[in-house]
Amino acid sequence: GESVGLHLPTLSVQEGDNSIINCAYSNSASDYFIWYKQESGKGPQFIIDIRSNMDKRQGQRVTVLLNKTVKHLSLQIAATQPGDSAVYFCAENKAGNMLTFGGGTRLMVKP
Amino acid sequence: GAVVSQHPSRVICKSGTSVKIECRSLDFQATTMFWYRQFPKQSLMLMATSNEGSKATYEQGVEKDKFLINHASLTLSTLTVTSAHPEDSSFYICSAFDFRSSYNEQFFGPGTRLTVL
Repeated sequence: GESVGLHLPTLSVQEGDNSIINCAYSNSASDYFIWYKQESGKGPQFIIDIRSNMDKRQGQRVTVLLNKTVKHLSLQIAATQPGDSAVYFCAENKAGNMLTFGGGTRLMVKP
Repeated sequence: GAVVSQHPSRVICKSGTSVKIECRSLDFQATTMFWYRQFPKQSLMLMATSNEGSKATYEQGVEKDKFLINHASLTLSTLTVTSAHPEDSSFYICSAFDFRSSYNEQFFGPGTRLTVL
């Protein structure tokens, strides 16, 4: 999902389906990327990360894909559950361990 | 896993007063802590980088005299919002960097909701 200002883009999926959340990053020199999950009123929670020397990394029910050619990152969630409902942010590590966050996508899981 | 706490979780104050927010790394040493601000339905915006024992580095547009940061130990950083105004109302989040992590992972606190009346 791309940032559209004050309105977070929303992805609505049926429970059990797979979800794909997209993110475009800005700096071709970034070498480390992270996906975070943020529930309402809470801090970001680490989901999965990937270094720029990889194009795919898998975790438990989640996969991150990195396409450096077009500066695109995606998060795939398999068998989406109601507990996955949250706002998801990608972040890129530019320099000095400083993170720049993308605009975020709200995932809504319908039971 | 590494745990970061923030105190208070919520604070309401009157306009013109100052508010201090604490960020603690509970089970690791954090040479660097970051302070973010998040407005409703928006992303996290980095305000400043806090290094233990030295002055904080502020992002462009963030007033250092208004947002005072102190990182006096390897487990504690504080953010003081001075002379708070209603427009300072926001969700303030800190993160701590664990130098032992080979992937340079930052660990985030639960956030502090500041409301200025």
